[in-house]
This record gives sequence, structure tokens and C-alpha cells, in this order.
Amino acid sequence: EVQLVESGGGLVQPGRSLKLSCLASGFTFSNYGMNWIRQAPGKGLEWVASISSSSSYIYYADTVKGRFTISRDNAKNTLYLQMTSLRSEDTALYYCARLRRLHYFDYWGQGVMVTVSS
Amino acid sequence: EIVLTQSPTTTAASPGEKVTITCLASSSVSNMYWYQQKSGASPKLLIYSTSSLASGVPDRFSGSGSGTSYSLTINTMEAEDAATYYCQQWSSNPLTFGSGTKLEIK
Repeated sequence: EVQLVESGGGLVQPGRSLKLSCLASGFTFSNYGMNWIRQAPGKGLEWVASISSSSSYIYYADTVKGRFTISRDNAKNTLYLQMTSLRSEDTALYYCARLRRLHYFDYWGQGVMVTVSS
Repeated sequence: EIVLTQSPTTTAASPGEKVTITCLASSSVSNMYWYQQKSGASPKLLIYSTSSLASGVPDRFSGSGSGTSYSLTINTMEAEDAATYYCQQWSSNPLTFGSGTKLEIK
């Protein structure tokens, strides 16, 4: 069974940093691209970042470019999102999702909440 | 950036009723993908490559469209279909989602 379990969220002050993790199981992690997608409270889905299976290709939404870094450790079956210079508008539920056929997401984690507030 | 405009924003349907949700793209896309998100849950893949049903999805759901106009149809509404539905494209960067359609049961 495919499982994606996010962790590392919490309350953080504006301007500070936070690192999210997503532990994958039930599939060969190193064969799949992975993504972070977020959802602000009561709002829609916003794609954040994408990383290919071997980390060769990385893409970011303009809203996080230069502040967030996506990475992965295939030996540990884990996806990461390093978030720096956090802003109130980064407050959201962050999902990790498995990328299928380079175009869509077939499995999603349960999400981890990040709240940026003083 | 390709903007996806969903309509309606909110709608309600009675059990057995047919429901159609539309997703208009600001530029042509090669395929559309649809997700269902129930309250308090993670999104779930419904339709991929415009019209293919994801595993385990009831066949009352269907997708169609091309170019800039796509739709998701629920042939006969059931109470469990009450949710928010999102379309998504990645024909060009950045990947974008529609703003969502909230479907309620009457």
C-alpha cells in the first residue's frame, strides 16, 4: 500500500525557517517524481515545487522561488521541503504527492500544517 | 501561466441528478486532470488524461474535453459525491489548479 506521511510542521514566526519531510512507503520511491502542494485554510490547491526521481529536474512556483528548496534522499525514501524567510501567506496545509506520468498526482499524503505568525 | 477557470463555483444536486463541472483554460492544454476533495481529507485523483477513470473511481464519473474546454460529469449524483472538485493541468509550467467547485447534496 502506498503511503506518504508528512511531518515537521508547526507554528513559526515570520522570517524564520522550517523543514518538512515526507516519508514514502509501499512503492519504489526512487522511480517517481515527487511534489509539494499546499492549501491555505479555506482555500484551493496551490502547487509549490517538483523534483524528478533522480533530482535532475527541479521546479518551483514563483511564490516560493528563492525561499524554498525541495530535495530528496532516495536511500531514506524521504522527500524534503526546506522553507526559509517564511511569510504569513505561507500558512497552509502542505501535502506531498507522487507524480505519475510527469503530469498528475496519484497519491497524496495527509498533509502537515504550517502556521506563520508572530 | 495557464489559468484554469472552473464553473460553477458552488452547486447543489439531488440524488440521481446529473452534474457537470466545467474547466476553461486560458491557453490550450493537451490534457486535464480532476481531483475530488472531501471535507477534512486529502485530494483524491478522479480522472487522468482528460477521460480515464482512476482506479476505484465509480463509473458514474466521466471526463471529456479538448483544447481549452474540459468537463467532469457525474451521471447520477450520490450523497457521497458531495465534495470540492479541482481541475489541474501541466501542459506548461507552472502546474496550475482550478479554483475548485463545491458540490453539495440537496
